[in-house]
Amino acid sequence: SAVISQKPSRDICQRGTSLTIQCQVDSQVTMMFWYRQQPGQSLTLIATANQGSEATYESGFVIDKFPISRPNLTFSTLTVSNMSPEDSSIYLCSVEENRSYEQYFGPGTRLTVT
Amino acid sequence: ELKVEQNPLFLSMQEGKNYTIYCNYSTTSDRLYWYRQDPGKSLESLFVLLSNGAVKQEGRLMASLDTKARLSTLHITAAVHDLSATYFCAVPHRGSGYALNFGKGTSLLVTP
Repeated sequence: SAVISQKPSRDICQRGTSLTIQCQVDSQVTMMFWYRQQPGQSLTLIATANQGSEATYESGFVIDKFPISRPNLTFSTLTVSNMSPEDSSIYLCSVEENRSYEQYFGPGTRLTVT
Repeated sequence: ELKVEQNPLFLSMQEGKNYTIYCNYSTTSDRLYWYRQDPGKSLESLFVLLSNGAVKQEGRLMASLDTKARLSTLHITAAVHDLSATYFCAVPHRGSGYALNFGKGTSLLVTP
């Protein structure tokens, strides 16, 4: 199974600043996904990141607020820009394993905005 | 819009009892995923069901998929405390490159 790491694992940030979250996979994958999980809630898709193309954002999420990079088949970053307390969440990256259709999740980045 | 509904959302059950969690979804899909999440942790993959009639079992958990009824079940047999967690079902959305739409989750507490 794919092994996914995320950095940082947690951070406390001030309002108005930005944070970049890194996601690294131990194998090449076509699709990577970024989700947000607000406290006590389910997961919501932010965007799909396909290598070599622009990320595709879900309704309610925009590139200016959540820019995503996908420079190769094993790595992606999500930036949370101009943060507000409402951005306090767990951010998770996920990948689909091409042959098995399994979708695995990284350990998450717990973000608190003060 | 793809909707995924789980019930119940909260479940308290005694050790040794059996119970079923239900997952309904609103549009056609030939895949369905079940995950477990412990407090403060990420999601652990339990099952991926890839076809109509698929059944998978791991320990005290068994999952099934009926694509015609757009229904999946997660059956718990002889529950033990270690099964206490939140369980999510999720259905892929083709328009998002098969990203997952999640149910709200079922918070399971197994008591002695």
